[in-house]
Amino acid sequence: DAGITQSPRHKVTETGTPVTLRCHQTENHRYMYWYRQDPGHGLRLIHYSYGVKDTDKGEVSDGYSVSRSKTEDFLLTLESATSSQTSVYFCAITPREGEPLHFGNGTRLTVT
Amino acid sequence: KQEVTQIPAALSVPEGENLVLNCSFTDSAIYNLQWFRQDPGKGLTSLLLIQSSQREQTSGRLNASLDKSSGRSTLYIAASQPGDSATYLCAVGGNQFYFGTGTSLTVIP
Repeated sequence: DAGITQSPRHKVTETGTPVTLRCHQTENHRYMYWYRQDPGHGLRLIHYSYGVKDTDKGEVSDGYSVSRSKTEDFLLTLESATSSQTSVYFCAITPREGEPLHFGNGTRLTVT
Repeated sequence: KQEVTQIPAALSVPEGENLVLNCSFTDSAIYNLQWFRQDPGKGLTSLLLIQSSQREQTSGRLNASLDKSSGRSTLYIAASQPGDSATYLCAVGGNQFYFGTGTSLTVIP
C-alpha cells in the first residue's frame, strides 16, 4: 500500500470554525490531490499540487485553501466551515501524470 | 467538462458468475482510465490502469478494456466471489481525474 496517512480520521466541528486536514506521504511523489466524496456526486477534485508551493484549483475549490511547504505534506483548510462541507475527504498521490492514483483512507468531517 | 457515467448503480449476482461493469465518458481526449475498488468506510484501492494507447489490462480475475473512440470502458470480473463485494469506480484521466459515481456490487454466497 502507498504510504499515505490522513489526519484526523474523524472530526466534528461547528459552523464558522476553521478546520485543517492533513495528508502525509512517505513515497516522495510529486503530485498530491484533495477530493471530497458525497452521495450522488462521486469524487470531486478540490485542489491539487504538482510540487512544493505549486498548487491549483479543482472543480469545487470555493471555501477551501491548500498549502504544500514540504513534499510529504499537503494541507487542506476550510477557512470557515459550513454544513455543505460535511463530507468524506480523500487525499491521493501519484509520482507523475499517467501513473496510477493512490488514495489515503479518508477523513470524515461533520459540520454541525 | 468530462462526464463519467457508471451503469448500473447497483448489481447483485450469485457467487461464481462472470460479470461486466460499465463506464462511459464524454470526452475521448484522455490520458488513461483507472478502475478502483472501495470497501465501506475505506479509501479507494487501485485495481487497473489503462493508458490511452492501450486496449486492455489484466490482473488475475480482472480484465479492463478501453475503447476511446466510443468513450467506453468495461471491467470484467471472472468467477465472482463474496469477497468481491464492494463499490467499483472508474476514473478518467486528462489534465485531472474525473470519477464516476460507482457500481455497488454484491456477490451472494
